[in-house]
Amino acid sequence: EPEVTQTPSHQVTQMGQEVILRCVPISNHLYFYWYRQILGQKVEFLVSFYNNEISEKSEIFDDQFSVERPDGSNFTLKIRSTKLEDSAMYFCASTFGGGNYEQYFGPGTRLTVT
Amino acid sequence: GQSLEQPSEVTAVEGAIVQINCTYQTSGFYGLSWYQQHDGGAPTFLSYNALDGLEETGRFSSFLSRSDSYGYLLLQELQMKDSASYFCVPKAAGNKLTFGGGTRVLVKP
Repeated sequence: EPEVTQTPSHQVTQMGQEVILRCVPISNHLYFYWYRQILGQKVEFLVSFYNNEISEKSEIFDDQFSVERPDGSNFTLKIRSTKLEDSAMYFCASTFGGGNYEQYFGPGTRLTVT
Repeated sequence: GQSLEQPSEVTAVEGAIVQINCTYQTSGFYGLSWYQQHDGGAPTFLSYNALDGLEETGRFSSFLSRSDSYGYLLLQELQMKDSASYFCVPKAAGNKLTFGGGTRVLVKP
C-alpha cells in the first residue's frame, strides 16, 4: 500500500539554524499539507499546497516558514531561523483531491531545537 | 469558526464497547471524520460521515446527526491495540483538517 514518507525521523538543531524537513507524498496525490504537534498538544494545521503554490496557511505559518516542491516527488518544509518553540513533531500529509476528508499522514519528523 | 467537544479520556477493559461522543459547531459543515493516533504516531483516518446515520467499518462504527451537530465513534470488542487518542474532525470548506484535543482511550486487560 502506498504511503507518505518523511526524513529525517528526528532532527536536532540549534536555535537560529535553518532546517529542511522532507516528505515524499503518495505518488498520484496532488494536494500536500504540513501539520505540527507540540508534545502533549493537538495537531495543528500549518499549510496546504496545490499546483505549486500555497492554497491555505495558518497563523503559525509566518515568514520563517516556507514550502517547496522541488521536483516531482519531494515536498519540503523549511524553517529559516528556528526557535525553541518550533520543537514539535511535524507531519506531512497528502490527498488526491482537494477538500478531501481522508488525508494520508507520514510518520513525522521530530524536531528538537536546543 | 469551529468549536469541538469530546471527553478527554475513557478507560475500558478488553472486549468492552466504548462510545466517544463529539459535539461540534462548524461553519459550512460538510461531514465528520474520525482519526486515530497512537502515542508517538501519526493520525490515521478511520471513517467519515457525510450523511446522518451509522457507518460500520469492522469493529468501529461512526454515527452522525447533522441536526444535533453530534456524532460518535463506537469501538467494539476492544483490544489492547485500540489504546490511542481518537479525534473527531469536522469537515468544512477548504483543505485543512482542524483537530481538537481528542479522546484518549486506555484499554486495560
